[in-house]
Amino acid sequence: NAGVTQTPKFQVLKTGQSMTLQCAQDMNHEYMSWYRQDPGMGLRLIHYSVGAGITDQGEVPNGYNVSRSTTEDFPLRLLSAAPSQTSVYFCASSDSGPTDTQYFGPGTRLTVL
Amino acid sequence: GDSVTQMEGPVTLSEEAFLTINCTYTATGYPSLFWYVQYPGEGLQLLLKATKADDKGSNKGFEATYRKETTSFHLEKGSVQVSDSAVYFCAQGGYGGSQGNLIFGKGTKLSVKP
Repeated sequence: NAGVTQTPKFQVLKTGQSMTLQCAQDMNHEYMSWYRQDPGMGLRLIHYSVGAGITDQGEVPNGYNVSRSTTEDFPLRLLSAAPSQTSVYFCASSDSGPTDTQYFGPGTRLTVL
Repeated sequence: GDSVTQMEGPVTLSEEAFLTINCTYTATGYPSLFWYVQYPGEGLQLLLKATKADDKGSNKGFEATYRKETTSFHLEKGSVQVSDSAVYFCAQGGYGGSQGNLIFGKGTKLSVKP
């Protein structure tokens, strides 16, 4: 099993550009989520999904979109990048939800100029 | 709202020293509690967890006990090693006021010197 994979590992964008961060898991997990990690802030939840076709907002959803067309994939879209979105992004999955062990991907380091 | 508060770092210890990282939580329901560890340049991985009051989670010499009366989940290790240098995150996960979210503390960076 590859676990949770994320691409790309690093990305530099200009303000206003859009892009998609990819996340995939091969553990047949129903629950998937996206976090951003900023210095001194810990991890903050952006969006999450409890299954294919179902998504919901987390603590900091503004400027991001998600979709869940399959169980395996949970891409995160930045609609119009802003410098405030410079961060490290982690995707995670678990069997049933937030009371279950989360499996994290290796992260994507995004810089917006 | 629901939250997690953990002691701020960085924490610097000598090898074989005793480690305690404090963690307290506020929750509307009865969440599961977790400690995750992040080694440099990597994603988070589960260190230990507890799902109900008085449960003790343990792994790799680390321990934490779910204390409902003090709303705490302090991480301890009797003798740290250089390889334990990492950032440690306390977290709670539940379906109460957090609406199905996992809430993290801000993290505590531990450095262990030989």
